[in-house]
Amino acid sequence: AAGVIQSPRHLIKEKRETATLKCYPIPRHDTVYWYQQGPGQDPQFLISFYEKMQSDKGSIPDRFSAQQFSDYHSELNMSSLELGDSALYFCASDLTGKTDTQYFGPGTRLTVL
Amino acid sequence: KQEVTQIPAALSVPEGENLVLNCSFTDSAIYNLQWFRQDPGKGLTSLLLIQSSQREQTSGRLNASLDKSSGRSTLYIAASQPGDSATYLCAVNNQGGKLIFGQGTELSVKP
Repeated sequence: AAGVIQSPRHLIKEKRETATLKCYPIPRHDTVYWYQQGPGQDPQFLISFYEKMQSDKGSIPDRFSAQQFSDYHSELNMSSLELGDSALYFCASDLTGKTDTQYFGPGTRLTVL
Repeated sequence: KQEVTQIPAALSVPEGENLVLNCSFTDSAIYNLQWFRQDPGKGLTSLLLIQSSQREQTSGRLNASLDKSSGRSTLYIAASQPGDSATYLCAVNNQGGKLIFGQGTELSVKP
């Protein structure tokens, strides 16, 4: 069965650079969630989209933005990167009202030097 | 504000033992609760999901229970194996869709 796809899997950036993370949800899933997991930490919710509209917002810095496109894939854009942005970034998807299980992608490991 | 706590933070058991992982949450008005497994540096694998109206769910050697009124869930692992070694996370959905995670229990099963 198809799973959530994230790209790239690894990303190394310098401070103050920008990064774009991509997420391709499971086919026919309409909701995408982004989470950030710092070293030794539990995942923290950043933002979610339902049917291409932002549905909820968590502790996402103003330097980050995200959107969901017409094909339901989502991109997380990160600017003015800081050392503290180094983390695993997970995308998850589900089908609202049909399946409540959130399926997670393998994550993108971002390292900011 | 929903807070999720997992006890213990780490657990080491010999192979073959049955074990229980605990998860507690402060706001009982949850939509569902999900248990995940995470291997070091890897993604999250969903193990079991319990709806707020359910008391337990079973999958193979895993059994998860939910007592919403007391704000508790347990994950029972029967006949543990070295391959069960991982971090186990519980996460609560408060109807907004987003998951609020506990800090996890790091399980080590010794051969």
